[in-house]
Amino acid sequence: EAQVTQNPRYLITVTGKKLTVTCSQNMNHEYMSWYRQDPGLGLRQIYYSMNVEVTDKGDVPEGYKVSRKEKRNFPLILESPSPNQTSLYFCASSLQGVGNSPLHFGNGTRLTVT
Amino acid sequence: GDSVTQMEGPVTLSEEAFLTINCTYTATGYPSLFWYVQYPGEGLQLLLKATKADDKGSNKGFEATYRKETTSFHLEKGSVQVSDSAVYFCALKDQGAQKLVFGQGTRLTINP
Repeated sequence: EAQVTQNPRYLITVTGKKLTVTCSQNMNHEYMSWYRQDPGLGLRQIYYSMNVEVTDKGDVPEGYKVSRKEKRNFPLILESPSPNQTSLYFCASSLQGVGNSPLHFGNGTRLTVT
Repeated sequence: GDSVTQMEGPVTLSEEAFLTINCTYTATGYPSLFWYVQYPGEGLQLLLKATKADDKGSNKGFEATYRKETTSFHLEKGSVQVSDSAVYFCALKDQGAQKLVFGQGTRLTINP
């Protein structure tokens, strides 16, 4: 089944403790992206990647890192999480960029930073 | 910068009622417009899209028309079902951009 898989689904952590949210897609998509969803703000893009070893900042990249060493994986790294990073995170992928082909979203990771 | 504004929710309707969810946008170029739907506990799914003025996107009984003169892309459905209960997001992609700009989402609840 074609899908975008995120792990974990739920994560509670403390301020400053490094964490990684994994994202994997099995559709051979070139484009991958991370969004965060906050009440009243919709979804905002954190980082995106057009292909392996190519990543770019989105609208809210501060406090996050990403890497794209393989086509299928696009992990989101929080080196020193803070409470303002408490949010619902979505990974998304598409065959080639945004708009040309539909974005496929994972089921989300709900992160709480205390 | 680009932005999308949706009508405030939540919206509660009875089954078979007519649905309209308003969406207006601001963009510097000529954007493509989208509606995404999010069911509980799931990621967003593309519902429909329109890529140029006067285009109508449609899917599963939902429709939206790209109105450049009013910078709007309102979502409509003639007869809603309980299974349509979800959060609906309007979004745009501006020319050359590699991101979607989302509205804040509208929660829709359909009562039997």
